[in-house]
Amino acid sequence: EIVMTQSPATLSVSPGERVTLSCRASQSVSVSLGWYQQKPGQAPRLLIYGASTRATGVPARFSGSGSGTYFTLTITSLQSEDFAVYYCQQYHNWPLTFGGGTKVEI
Amino acid sequence: QLQLQESGPGLVKPSETLALTCTVSGGSISSSGYYWGWVRQSPGKGLEWIGSIYYSGTTYYNPSLKSRVTISVDASKNQFSLRLTSVTAADTAVYFCARRDSAIVTWGQGTLVTVSS
Repeated sequence: EIVMTQSPATLSVSPGERVTLSCRASQSVSVSLGWYQQKPGQAPRLLIYGASTRATGVPARFSGSGSGTYFTLTITSLQSEDFAVYYCQQYHNWPLTFGGGTKVEI
Repeated sequence: QLQLQESGPGLVKPSETLALTCTVSGGSISSSGYYWGWVRQSPGKGLEWIGSIYYSGTTYYNPSLKSRVTISVDASKNQFSLRLTSVTAADTAVYFCARRDSAIVTWGQGTLVTVSS
């Protein structure tokens, strides 16, 4: 099983700031990596797939990068609606596995 | 637009079987290339993949749950289902159904299932 580790667990930021979230895989997942945003009481929403491709309707301030075992999600100029929990997930191998999440808070 | 909707009991007794159904609308469950599956989230915790079924019928399960999980498809009803046997309080969670293309693109809204006597 591929273990996904996200850091930090919590990120305290202000609107307008640039933030970078990290995700590390215990073995290579190539670019089979997705990023999700989840707000309280809602289902997760896919932001990025293929490590760097924005999903439909995702604003350009979200960008993903990385390959192999290290990935980042960057949000430029954080908006109020971006405060949420972010999860990475690998789909390179079964079982699918998620990181523990990074909470982006004010 | 594809939509997924979970349904099933919100309360299950310990040792009994949790059974949920996901109804697919706006698309066919028999369309090639997609995986249909379940993800759960315990209160205040992260996301846990339970298992998936490919359109061809091949199933994939989380090893930690494999002995208790069955996912099946009813193409005639455009639905797929989850059965989790011998539940305990640790199985209390919001259960999401989902469709995976590469990553998981489409999610249901989720349904809370509480395991309690």
